[in-house]
Amino acid sequence: QVQLQESGPGLVKPSETLSLTCAVSGGSISNYYWSWIRLPPGKGLEWIGFIFYTGNTNYNPSLKSRVTVSIDTSKKQFSLRLSSVTAADTAVYYCARLRRGELIEGSTWYFDLWGRGSLVTVSS
Amino acid sequence: QSVLTQPPSVSAAPGQKVTISCSGSSSNIGNNYVSWYQQLPGTAPRLLIFDNNKRPPGIPDRFSGSRSGTSATLGITGLQTGDEADYYCGTWDSSLSAGGVFGGGTKLTVL
Repeated sequence: QVQLQESGPGLVKPSETLSLTCAVSGGSISNYYWSWIRLPPGKGLEWIGFIFYTGNTNYNPSLKSRVTVSIDTSKKQFSLRLSSVTAADTAVYYCARLRRGELIEGSTWYFDLWGRGSLVTVSS
Repeated sequence: QSVLTQPPSVSAAPGQKVTISCSGSSSNIGNNYVSWYQQLPGTAPRLLIFDNNKRPPGIPDRFSGSRSGTSATLGITGLQTGDEADYYCGTWDSSLSAGGVFGGGTKLTVL
C-alpha cells in the first residue's frame, strides 16, 4: 500500500529556512494532490499548502509569503521550504495525500494518507 | 484561534455514545464537505469520515458523521478505551482567504 515518509533536520535556527521532504512509496505520485500540514505543541492542525503532480500549488494565506512546496515526480517525492522561521514554527510536520474536487454541493477536501510526522524545533 | 470551533474535551463511559461538534460558517462547512480525523497518542492523524458522512475502508460503523447548516457532528457509539484520542474536523474555506481549515481538536476521554 502507499506509504509516506518525511525526512529532514529536526532542529532549525531562528531566521533560517526549514526544509522537509516526503517520499512516496508503494504507489504513484502522479494524478494526485500532495500536502503539508503541521501540529504545533498544544494547538490544532494547520494546513500549510498543497501541490498537484503537475506542479500547481496553493498555500495557506497566513504562510504564503514564506512557503514553497515543490515536487519531483521522477524521485516520487515532494518538498516543503519555510523561510524566516521563528519559535512559532516549532511543530510536528506531516505530509499527506489530499483528495479534492468539486461536487454538486460544494468542494470535497480530505487527507486520506498521512506520513508519520517529523518534529521540527526552531531554536538557537 | 482555529477557523472551525470544537469543544476542547468530551468524555463518556465505555459502551456509551458520544458526539463531537464542529462549528463553522457559510464559507466553509455551510457550502463544502467535512472530514474528520482521529489522532491516537503518538501517531499520525487517520481519516475517519469524508464528504460529511462517508467512511473509508476499515473504519467501523461505530463512527458516523453528519452536517447541518454550518455545523458538523462526529458520533461514536459503543465507546472503547482504544477510542481515547484527539479528534479534528476539517474542510475547505471558500472565502477571500481561501484554504484548508481545521478545528482546534477535541480530546476524547473514555472513563
